Amino acid sequence: GAGVSQSPSNKVTEKGKDVELRCDPISGHTALYWYRQSLGQGLEFLIYFQGNSAPDKSGLPSDRFSAERTGGSVSTLTIQRTQQEDSAVYLCASSLNSPSGSGSKQYFGPGTRLTVT
Amino acid sequence: KQEVTQIPAALSVPEGENLVLNCSFTDSAIYNLQWFRQDPGKGLTSLLLIQSSQREQTSGRLNASLDKSSGRSTLYIAASQPGDSATYLCAVYGGSNYKLTFGKGTLLTVNP
Repeated sequence: GAGVSQSPSNKVTEKGKDVELRCDPISGHTALYWYRQSLGQGLEFLIYFQGNSAPDKSGLPSDRFSAERTGGSVSTLTIQRTQQEDSAVYLCASSLNSPSGSGSKQYFGPGTRLTVT
Repeated sequence: KQEVTQIPAALSVPEGENLVLNCSFTDSAIYNLQWFRQDPGKGLTSLLLIQSSQREQTSGRLNASLDKSSGRSTLYIAASQPGDSATYLCAVYGGSNYKLTFGKGTLLTVNP
């Protein structure tokens, strides 16, 4: 079956502009995660959605970052007024159920490489 | 705050060699630990997931062990091949915060 897909694969934007990144999780997966991978920083958790529960937004670095998940499926990560330090690869992952459950194995998309000039 | 450390940061071995990658974490109250593989410019591929109640998991030439009490995990790769060349990441879920916390990875190069 289809894996996790993300779009666009690459995005170049000017400082101060808003961007939207999209993630399509694996069908039937209730949990969805966004991460950021910056050069030299490793992978950083951003936000976690589980079913219809309120998302865990504790990893979002500032109020310029927001995410939503419509209908328990597709998710969009929005970055407002982008800054150069937002340049990174943004990765989305999904899992069958919660991170502590038996179906907690996370499947990652290929990522969106964001470059803010 | 959970911290995950991977040693070594980079490793280069000749084809056919057996090797061990190390991962340590500071908070032993975890639910599970995963090993991932990342190829250049690509996303992550989950290799093995070990629940906190388990000691090890095996998949083909890969064997991952978990010693929760000492905060350590190892990934053993048998009979390495050039196709194994990638960055290997360790991640833990649980501890003082309920997030997946990643190490910075080990860059493995297997030379033909």
